[in-house]
Amino acid sequence: KQEVTQIPAALSVPEGENLVLNCSFTDSAIYNLQWFRQDPGKGLTSLLLIQSSQREQTSGRLNASLDKSSGRSTLYIAASQPGDSATYLCAVRRNTNAGKSTFGDGTTLTVKP
Amino acid sequence: DGGITQSPKYLFRKEGQNVTLSCEQNLNHDAMYWYRQDPGQGLRLIYYSQIVNDFQKGDIAEGYSVSREKKESFPLTVTSAQKNPTAFYLCASSLKWDNTEAFFGQGTRLTVV
Repeated sequence: KQEVTQIPAALSVPEGENLVLNCSFTDSAIYNLQWFRQDPGKGLTSLLLIQSSQREQTSGRLNASLDKSSGRSTLYIAASQPGDSATYLCAVRRNTNAGKSTFGDGTTLTVKP
Repeated sequence: DGGITQSPKYLFRKEGQNVTLSCEQNLNHDAMYWYRQDPGQGLRLIYYSQIVNDFQKGDIAEGYSVSREKKESFPLTVTSAQKNPTAFYLCASSLKWDNTEAFFGQGTRLTVV
C-alpha cells in the first residue's frame, strides 16, 4: 500500500527566504507526482506535475524534483512572499490499481511580512 | 471558462437524510473522482470513474453512492449509512485516468446538524 508523508507539517518563514518542502513515498511504481496548493476552505490548485520519467519541473519561482529510487520529491520555493502562505499537498499516482492517487497530509506554510 | 463546478458550497444535513453533492466539468475529461478531506489531513478517495457509465469504489466508499450517466457530471450521494459525514468534499477530473494532470473543484462543506 502506498504511503505518502510530508514533513514538516507546518513551516513559518520570513518573507524573501528560499524554502524546501518535502514529500516521501513508499512505493516507487508511480505514473506521476503532482504538487498542489490549497487555501483555507478552498479546492486544490495544481502547481506542478512530474511524470515518472522526469527529474524536475519548473514554473516561475517553483521547482519540483523527483527521485523515484529514493521515494522522494521536493518543492523548492524561491524568494517566498506572504501570498505563498497556504497548505501544500503532494499526490502520487500509481501505475497499478487503476492509477489511483495517494495524498500526503500537507505542509502548512506561513510567510511572514 | 473551462473548469469543474461543485455545488452547493455549503450543505447542512439532518441525521438520517440522504444528500447529493453536484460536480460538473466542461473540460471534456474522461476520468472523475470524489475525495473526502478531514481537518488537517490529506484527501481520501471515495469513488472514481474512468469513463462514462463506469465507476469504482475508492478507499472509503461505505455510505456513499455515485452515478456517471453523462461525461460531464459525477454526482455523489451521502447516504444515512455514512456514520460520520461531516467533512469537506472535493471533486476532481483528469483527461485520462493514468498519467494526466488532475484538476479540482472548489469543494462542498457538508455539516450534519
